[in-house]
Amino acid sequence: EAGVAQSPRYKIIEKRQSVAFWCNPISGHATLYWYQQILGQGPKLLIQFQNNGVVDDSQLPKDRFSAERLKGVDSTLKIQPAKLEDSAVYLCASSSLSSTDTQYFGPGTRLTVL
Amino acid sequence: GNSVTQMEGPVTLSEEAFLTINCTYTATGYPSLFWYVQYPGEGLQLLLKATKADDKGSNKGFEATYRKETTSFHLEKGSVQVSDSAVYFCALSGSGNTGKLIFGQGTTLQVKP
Repeated sequence: EAGVAQSPRYKIIEKRQSVAFWCNPISGHATLYWYQQILGQGPKLLIQFQNNGVVDDSQLPKDRFSAERLKGVDSTLKIQPAKLEDSAVYLCASSSLSSTDTQYFGPGTRLTVL
Repeated sequence: GNSVTQMEGPVTLSEEAFLTINCTYTATGYPSLFWYVQYPGEGLQLLLKATKADDKGSNKGFEATYRKETTSFHLEKGSVQVSDSAVYFCALSGSGNTGKLIFGQGTTLQVKP
């Protein structure tokens, strides 16, 4: 079974530029999560989808971050414009409806904002 | 709100030493508790979990017991190996069984041969 795929693995941008990350969850997993992991901290949930609907986006900075999961499968997270403090690893995870407490994580995208 | 606190790292041990990584939590209701591990260059992997008080999660020689009275979920292993070197994260699930995870800050373990 293929795991959670993310791309790109690394991205370096200047502040005020825009960037997008892509995630393809495990086949059949209805729930998809985006987490932000700042260096030295644990991951923090940004947004949770169930199929193509948003379950929780309470910690998503909506003035600059957006995410979509149009067909209920893969998802894109965008930052526009980026700030220095957005430098972090962005993790995507997925889980099945029958086992929401077991999340499978992708390798992450490491973003550096200069 | 819900939160998780882990012991600060890094933890440096010799091979075959006993490992304990402390984790305490604050939560309303009855959360599930987890340990995730992140090996160098890899994504987070679920190591073990416990869903109710007094449950013991175990995997790959690691164990943790859900202690409601002390709000703790300490990770232990009797004899660590060099291959156990990684960052370990304690986490709890949010209320309402939405699957949302709240993580501690992580503890780096380095095992020397």
